[in-house]
Amino acid sequence: SQTIHQWPATLVQPVGSPLSLECTVEGTSNPNLYWYRQAAGRGLQLLFYSVGIGQISSEVPQNLSASRPQDRQFILSSKKLLLSDSGFYLCAWSPSNTEAFFGQGTRLTVV
Amino acid sequence: AQTVTQSQPEMSVQEAETVTLSCTYDTSESDYYLFWYKQPPSRQMILVIRQEAYKQQNATENRFSVNFQKAAKSFSLKISDSQLGDAAMYFCAYKGGSEKLVFGKGMKLTVNP
Repeated sequence: SQTIHQWPATLVQPVGSPLSLECTVEGTSNPNLYWYRQAAGRGLQLLFYSVGIGQISSEVPQNLSASRPQDRQFILSSKKLLLSDSGFYLCAWSPSNTEAFFGQGTRLTVV
Repeated sequence: AQTVTQSQPEMSVQEAETVTLSCTYDTSESDYYLFWYKQPPSRQMILVIRQEAYKQQNATENRFSVNFQKAAKSFSLKISDSQLGDAAMYFCAYKGGSEKLVFGKGMKLTVNP
């Protein structure tokens, strides 16, 4: 069966520090991969999605970037964090033409 | 661009009663998928129900059913016999041919005993 791993679960980082959140999927090949950010009590904002290695669509370019170095690995990065980057980050994967499955999320606090 | 709108930020329902959550979307595509997800306080995203746009029959999963009106671009979720465990944030989502998955802003459902 397929599983998704996202880490870390919580992270506290100072303003101006770099960020790297990692997400990996097991048990499938060529998944669609997604990064979302969710502010407290708010909706899911799509940040990036990828339909294959080297194919990344950016919805909110701003201070973040994403990479897909391997078929089942999706990384969210920032060179310098801002206070406004605080939030709950969710990674998800999906086969084509069906629903997405989510990781446990990362709660990021920028101080 | 595809958009998903959930106009009701909060709703409440009495235990054992029925509640309907509304969702509208905007798209120019003819083939797509619609979903309802539930997010309890644990923040884990849980799929509630899925509807393929090419299917005229409304999807049903136990106490959960949808009213899919393709021409009106409406996709509402009906929860029957509401239970305390149904209390959560509910998100409507759209997925089209590009595999881009877009969510509405969500709706907080409270279930009163």
